[in-house]
Amino acid sequence: AQKITQTQPGMFVQEKEAVTLDCTYDTSDPSYGLFWYKQPSSGEMIFLIYQGSYDQQNATEGRYSLNFQKARKSANLVISASQLGDSAMYFCAMREYGNNRLAFGKGNQVVVIP
Amino acid sequence: NAGVTQTPKFRVLKTGQSMTLLCAQDMNHEYMYWYRQDPGMGLRLIHYSVGEGTTAKGEVPDGYNVSRLKKQNFLLGLESAAPSQTSVYFCASTRDRVNTEAFFGQGTRLTVV
Repeated sequence: AQKITQTQPGMFVQEKEAVTLDCTYDTSDPSYGLFWYKQPSSGEMIFLIYQGSYDQQNATEGRYSLNFQKARKSANLVISASQLGDSAMYFCAMREYGNNRLAFGKGNQVVVIP
Repeated sequence: NAGVTQTPKFRVLKTGQSMTLLCAQDMNHEYMYWYRQDPGMGLRLIHYSVGEGTTAKGEVPDGYNVSRLKKQNFLLGLESAAPSQTSVYFCASTRDRVNTEAFFGQGTRLTVV
C-alpha cells in the first residue's frame, strides 16, 4: 500500500527566506505522480506542483520547486522568497498509476513571520 | 465554471441519524474521491471511484457507503452517524491520467452529537 510521510513539526520561517518541506513516500508501483497542495486557514485545497516518477528534471512552478530524489523516495517542496500569504498547511500526495488512489501525507504547518 | 461542488457545506447530526453528502463535478472527470480531514491526520481516503458505476474502498471506509450512478456525481452516505465521524469531508475529482492534479470541493463540516 502506498504511504506518504511528512514528519516535520510546525515551522516558522522569516519572510523572504526559503523553506524546505520534507516528504518521503513508499510504493511498489514504478509509475506514479507526486503532488503538493496548499491549504490556507480558509480551508480550500490549492494545487501547487506536480512531479512524475519518470521525469528527469525537478519540477518548478514560480517560487515552488520540487527536489525529487527517486532512489531515496523523497519529494521535498522548496518555497523560495517566502511571503506572508504562504502561511498555510502543506500536503504531499501521491497517485499510483496502477490503482489511481490519491493518498496524502499528514501535512506540514508553515507560518511566515515578518 | 463551477468545478467541484459539495452539498451541504455544514451539517449537525444526532448520533444514529443518516445523511448523504453530494459531490458534483462539471469537468467530465473520470476519477472521484472522498476524504475526511481531522486535526493532525491529514486527508484520509474513504472511498473512491474510477468511473461511472464503480467504487472502491480507501483507507478508512468503515461506516460509509458510496455510489457513482452518474459520472458527474459521487455520493457519500452515513447510514448511522457516530461522534467519531465528526470531521471535515472533502470531495475531489481528476482526469484519467496520473499526471493531472485533483480539483477539490470546498469541504463539508459535519458534526455528530
